[in-house]
Amino acid sequence: GNSVTQMEGPVTLSEEAFLTINCTYTATGYPSLFWYVQYPGEGLQLLLKATKADDKGSNKGFEATYRKETTSFHLEKGSVQVSDSAVYFCALRLIQGAQKLVFGQGTRLTINP
Amino acid sequence: KAGVTQTPRYLIKTRGQQVTLSCSPISGHRSVSWYQQTPGQGLQFLFEYFSETQRNKGNFPGRFSGRQFSNSRSEMNVSTLELGDSALYLCASSLAWRDSSYEQYFGPGTRLTVT
Repeated sequence: GNSVTQMEGPVTLSEEAFLTINCTYTATGYPSLFWYVQYPGEGLQLLLKATKADDKGSNKGFEATYRKETTSFHLEKGSVQVSDSAVYFCALRLIQGAQKLVFGQGTRLTINP
Repeated sequence: KAGVTQTPRYLIKTRGQQVTLSCSPISGHRSVSWYQQTPGQGLQFLFEYFSETQRNKGNFPGRFSGRQFSNSRSEMNVSTLELGDSALYLCASSLAWRDSSYEQYFGPGTRLTVT
């Protein structure tokens, strides 16, 4: 089946630290990969995406590269801010098929000033 | 352009009752998907609608149902509520289905509490 595994949280960092949140996936087909962010009391916002191997998605200083050989899509940011505190979800969706997203369990990130 | 709207935002129901949640997609979007978010199970896919037809269904009991109207608005219904149905229910809309290049945009969710 299709599944996504994220590093367990919570993750606590100081402002301006380097961030990595690991994400690996298992898919029966060829997926598109996504990172979503959820701020307290809100729905999910798409942070970045990649639709084919070696693609790099980037947005707001966050980056993730689609690595087919390691089935990974790790999220990175060079210098985090307090405003980045949120829950981050890695997700996949098969290219051929429905719009159904398969999510990882989420990683809660807290940035201290 | 207005985003995805969900009503109501908060709801408290008693076990055994039924509930209907509503979702209005972004204008022009024709695909609507529903997800359930709980602390224990995370985000789980419920169903997806396109052109008033259910296109895909997740692994939920028949108490969970939905529909889509001709204006693409969607409703989901949960009958005979159980305590375990307490969750945040998220709706997402997309321009079309069967094409992963179309992004899904999420609404703020409806927080359902069953007592």
